[in-house]
Amino acid sequence: TQLLEQSPQFLSIQEGENLTVYCNSSSVFSSLQWYRQEPGEGPVLLVTVVTGGEVKKLKRLTFQFGDARKDSSLHITAAQPGDTGLYLCAGARIRGNSGYALNFGKGTSLLVTP
Amino acid sequence: DTGVSQNPRHKITKRGQNVTFRCDPISEHNRLYWYRQTLGQGPEFLTYFQNEAQLEKSRLLSDRFSAERPKGSFSTLEIQRTEQGDSAMYLCAIRLASTDTQYFGPGTRLTVL
Repeated sequence: TQLLEQSPQFLSIQEGENLTVYCNSSSVFSSLQWYRQEPGEGPVLLVTVVTGGEVKKLKRLTFQFGDARKDSSLHITAAQPGDTGLYLCAGARIRGNSGYALNFGKGTSLLVTP
Repeated sequence: DTGVSQNPRHKITKRGQNVTFRCDPISEHNRLYWYRQTLGQGPEFLTYFQNEAQLEKSRLLSDRFSAERPKGSFSTLEIQRTEQGDSAMYLCAIRLASTDTQYFGPGTRLTVL
């Protein structure tokens, strides 16, 4: 069972367009992390959000953590071909002895064409 | 540089063979995780170490899977009697004690023929 639902699963846009990726859950997380993954490589951390309502900006990327710490969004302004990749959200929470093991969504595969 | 290296990067094996993957954190982060990622899915948690202690292993997929971290630094993940369904990317991650943030290695891509 996937704790985190990401949408959309696939997104193909042209350079210069804006987009938003959503990550939703019915569970509360102590933090939520966003990663970007290239084919054949491990996920690379973009940001960690910890506080409900928190907004973080990384150049053209804006990340928001929901007030109830159950959901998050990633907004990209003026997308560029270099933004192409798989975007993964992952929630951390204490559960048994798993030491804040991450629960991942299925990812959003983004293609930005020139 | 995420501070985590994994070897080998790619492994092709025949069904029934045993394979072992290695994860080396560059510095000695005491919390280490293994995940598996299949095509079209996000990574799935397998097991967790704090120092050399394996605190969670119930999520290992079967008794053919085992992991060790003998000196609290590098870790190995072994799969015995591999099956085609074991084909996946195996990822190692480390976490600083004071945060939830995990940093991943480049992964080992396993293909079982």
